[in-house]
Formats: sequence, C-alpha cells, structure tokens
Amino acid sequence: DADVTQTPRNRITKTGKRIMLECSQTKGHDRMYWYRQDPGLGLQLIYYSFDVKDINKGEISDGYSVSRQAQAKFSLSLESAIPNQTALYFCATSDNMREGGDTQYFGPGTRLTVL
Amino acid sequence: AQKITQTQPGMFVQEKEAVTLDCTYDTSDPSYGLFWYKQPSSGEMIFLIYQGSYDQQNATEGRYSLNFQKARKSANLVISASQLGDSAMYFCAMSRTDYKLSFGAGTTVTVRA
Repeated sequence: DADVTQTPRNRITKTGKRIMLECSQTKGHDRMYWYRQDPGLGLQLIYYSFDVKDINKGEISDGYSVSRQAQAKFSLSLESAIPNQTALYFCATSDNMREGGDTQYFGPGTRLTVL
Repeated sequence: AQKITQTQPGMFVQEKEAVTLDCTYDTSDPSYGLFWYKQPSSGEMIFLIYQGSYDQQNATEGRYSLNFQKARKSANLVISASQLGDSAMYFCAMSRTDYKLSFGAGTTVTVRA
C-alpha cells in the first residue's frame, strides 16, 4: 500500500462549487504539505503544517483552505472553485530528521479540472 | 530569496548513454539541501537523490549522482546508462531554512532506443 494517498485521483467540477481534496499518510511524519502544479511548471506551495496545531500559508494560498484532522490526515478545500485552479495537486510529507532539509515524499496527485 | 534555475527545458539522450541535467541555485542560507525528483508521464513525483550543503562528497544513488559544486552554486544530476524508463520530467529543488521546498521549472528527458 502507498505511504501517501490522495483522494480523489481525478475530479471535474464546475465554477463556484466547493471541493475537498484529501490526503492520508502512513509514514508517521509530522509535516504535511499541499502543492499545485500547472502544466509545464514546477510545484508551488499552497499550505503546510508542521503538526496538528501548526498550519501555515504558502506562496499561493488565496482561494484555498486546509484542515489537519490528525497527524495522518491533511485536507485541502477550494471554497468556490474557479477555472484557473485547474491543476495537478500534490500532498507531501516529511519527517524533520535532517538539518538542511527534509526529504518530502509525495502522494500520487489529484488532477482537478474546473469548468 | 531562494531561486532554482533549470535552463534545459528538454533533452534527448540515447539509450545506455549518460545525461547531465543542469541546476543552479541562489540562497543566502548557510545550511540547505538540494533534491532531485522525477515525474514520469503518469504524474507522480518520485524522490531520487539528496545533497546537503555541508556534505563533502557528492551524493550517489544507483545510476543517479549529484555533481555538487558549492562555490558555483550548482547541483547537476547525472543519470548513467540511460534506460527507456528514464524518460520523464526532472525537477531540482532546494530546501529553505523553514524546511519548505522551492522547485525549478523542470527538464524533460526523452531516452531514444
């Protein structure tokens, strides 16, 4: 079984709809992240959480919100989806074990299309 | 501000040959980490290799090696003995003092039989 899972894997929705993307991990990591990737581009950080009570905005948090329900679960919500939120969304985890930077392990991604 | 630059948008390599993917970075942090990830056409992000800024030796993981030149602020990925399955997008990334990752724009590698 995958260590980091994301649901759904694909989603098509309409402008104005609320949508939630879910992430679960069995790696036991405290740190979790949400990224988006636009076609042909690198990843941009939306939100990150270093533990259940610590949630922080990333580079492109406008239009998004998150919830850290437990150490293992981190959800991303689009309150009112718009077409330019069409992208590939990744969840990632890391373990805070190394000075100089944790290795982040990514889920399989969710392809979101907003019509 | 931290910045990652990958200047090669796309590369072709013959099967069994080696390929070098360029990555330069800019940071004022004394301690940082450099990473390479592979993204095949299926979309997942696969961690390949890590290099710490204080590591004296270049990192190696199987057919992957990282050519780290700290003074030049470069962290090039070398893939030896290319295989068809190496065809993918490759991203260079750098960790920041707050442990977040900054990604480059990526390089697409196509391995020819």
